[in-house]
Amino acid sequence: DAGITQSPRHKVTETGTPVTLRCHQTENHRYMYWYRQDPGHGLRLIHYSYGVKDTDKGEVSDGYSVSRSKTEDFLLTLESATSSQTSVYFCAISPGLAMNEQFFGPGTRLTVL
Amino acid sequence: AQKITQTQPGMFVQEKEAVTLDCTYDTSDPSYGLFWYKQPSSGEMIFLIYQGSYDQQNATEGRYSLNFQKARKSANLVISASQLGDSAMYFCAMRGGQGGSEKLVFGKGTKLTVNP
Repeated sequence: DAGITQSPRHKVTETGTPVTLRCHQTENHRYMYWYRQDPGHGLRLIHYSYGVKDTDKGEVSDGYSVSRSKTEDFLLTLESATSSQTSVYFCAISPGLAMNEQFFGPGTRLTVL
Repeated sequence: AQKITQTQPGMFVQEKEAVTLDCTYDTSDPSYGLFWYKQPSSGEMIFLIYQGSYDQQNATEGRYSLNFQKARKSANLVISASQLGDSAMYFCAMRGGQGGSEKLVFGKGTKLTVNP
């Protein structure tokens, strides 16, 4: 199994509060990703990182920010959570260009009341 | 823009039979990769198989094979000898080469049910 952990695994919060999700890898892979999964939408990319301090937006980045100060950690922050951000969040990692594998973490279920 | 289409919301198959899950894709990039993932009811995303756009042969991994038809832009997953444990959601995804980001675009998935 790829060494990816996510914390917390479950979280319930209230609208308007800040939330930070953490992804930690032990593989030293260059690329890290945050996706959200919602019924009827599959997985959609929020943000990704191609190196320390190098990040870019994905398909559904509004309302989210990310940071990567170390190779092994990629943080996703909801500055002011909304009910529309209730979702399952997956972190993923891949080794680099032309990669033929992308491995996912176990997911974080976030509920915004 | 890249797009993945999975037209089968749900599929049923008898145990020990083979099943094909459909996936079509759209991209203007000559270099791309196609992935299949399995998501059981427990929620984790399990990588199954990968096909590169320049690969000459169809990918196989145990009971999984990918029927890659480049001209038709299809990348169907074939599961041989279905088992009860194959019941899950299956997602097709595509990696494109634009910008070197290696982002994946996912289809909406197919729910496979294996009947005893």
